[in-house]
Amino acid sequence: NAGVTQTPKFQVLKTGQSMTLQCAQDMNHNSMYWYRQDPGMGLRLIYYSASEGTTDKGEVPNGYNVSRLNKREFSLRLESAAPSQTSVYFCASRLTGSGNTIYFGEGSWLTVV
Amino acid sequence: KNEVEQSPQNLTAQEGEFITINCSYSVGISALHWLQQHPGGGIVSLFMLSSGKKKHGRLIATINIQEKHSSLHITASHPRDSAVYICAVNREGSNYKLTFGKGTLLTVNP
Repeated sequence: NAGVTQTPKFQVLKTGQSMTLQCAQDMNHNSMYWYRQDPGMGLRLIYYSASEGTTDKGEVPNGYNVSRLNKREFSLRLESAAPSQTSVYFCASRLTGSGNTIYFGEGSWLTVV
Repeated sequence: KNEVEQSPQNLTAQEGEFITINCSYSVGISALHWLQQHPGGGIVSLFMLSSGKKKHGRLIATINIQEKHSSLHITASHPRDSAVYICAVNREGSNYKLTFGKGTLLTVNP
């Protein structure tokens, strides 16, 4: 059982380049999330998808776009990367409802130079 | 002021010590989560609480809804417990979004 799988694990981008972070879960979860984690800031929500076909902005959506391709997959796109987007990115998923456990991917380390 | 505050920010202990990490929150919640993150690693859910107390091995989590406070205790700490422990809350009325504390870095020395 793979859980939440995100790729790539490491990426170096030049300013202005674009890239997509891929995330897939095999637990039949409705809700999926993209977070970024920066030193001293904790986890901050970029975008989330409450169910297939819907997406909503989180706390820090600027510079990002997302696609909920199907129930399993939720991708995060950086259209024109900036150094401020250097961070560790985590995808997560869970069944809808506050009483459900959240599962995280292993993280993607992104550096923008 | 952050909605979720953890204390201490950093904690160093000797192997075998009893450890307590605290989480206070300022909003109404429907559930509280404790998460663990090892250095350079992913994030794992330890507990989800809406009331009372839960125990898993050497870890115990408690919550006091009236006081808006939760604690994570580790008994007989071990160097492998060294990690960042993160508290997160589900706000009342929100089924989807979690609000996270900034984490407590625990180092357990042999």
